[in-house]
Amino acid sequence: DTAVSQTPKYLVTQMGNDKSIKCEQNLGHDTMYWYKQDSKKFLKIMFSYNNKELIINETVPNRFSPKSPDKAHLNLHINSLELGDSAVYFCASMGGTGPQGYTFGSGTRLTVV
Amino acid sequence: KNEVEQSPQNLTAQEGEFITINCSYSVGISALHWLQQHPGGGIVSLFMLSSGKKKHGRLIATINIQEKHSSLHITASHPRDSAVYICARGADGLTFGKGTHLIIQP
Repeated sequence: DTAVSQTPKYLVTQMGNDKSIKCEQNLGHDTMYWYKQDSKKFLKIMFSYNNKELIINETVPNRFSPKSPDKAHLNLHINSLELGDSAVYFCASMGGTGPQGYTFGSGTRLTVV
Repeated sequence: KNEVEQSPQNLTAQEGEFITINCSYSVGISALHWLQQHPGGGIVSLFMLSSGKKKHGRLIATINIQEKHSSLHITASHPRDSAVYICARGADGLTFGKGTHLIIQP
């Protein structure tokens, strides 16, 4: 029973393509996030959703769009992919009451060629 | 300047040593998080702190709100503790430090 699952784990695609990364959590958490880890391994928040409402949108290009059909899912759509989008993308959820707070997905390594 | 600063960036120690990783943050927090990222890439949340001290097995995390400083300690370190440890400031999402790459040699 994976708590936060992301698919696909690896994604290789050409510049200009549109792609999606899916994320699902079965923890009943209210808030879900997308984080990006760049080539220097630095993590940065991209989006968060709380009860289907976007509550944070950092300075992320509008080619990136989060879509949440329900509380358990937060998918990431990326249009017109660029070389600089190559990174590892992590989905996470937070319930607020657990001792550790966050639960992360295993990550999606996106490579744009 | 990053809002969250960690030190050291890299740390190599011998098995059994007591390890300390430090974290300072520049703005207020709702909680301070310690995360572990293994070489395989997965991220595990170790602690969420808003005050005082927490302990889980050989790991201890402390926070001083007035000084905006937190430490992660590992007692009786083991090679399986080798990983990147990341401090993050929590307030509507996480702001991360750059991580401490820890290697424990047998």
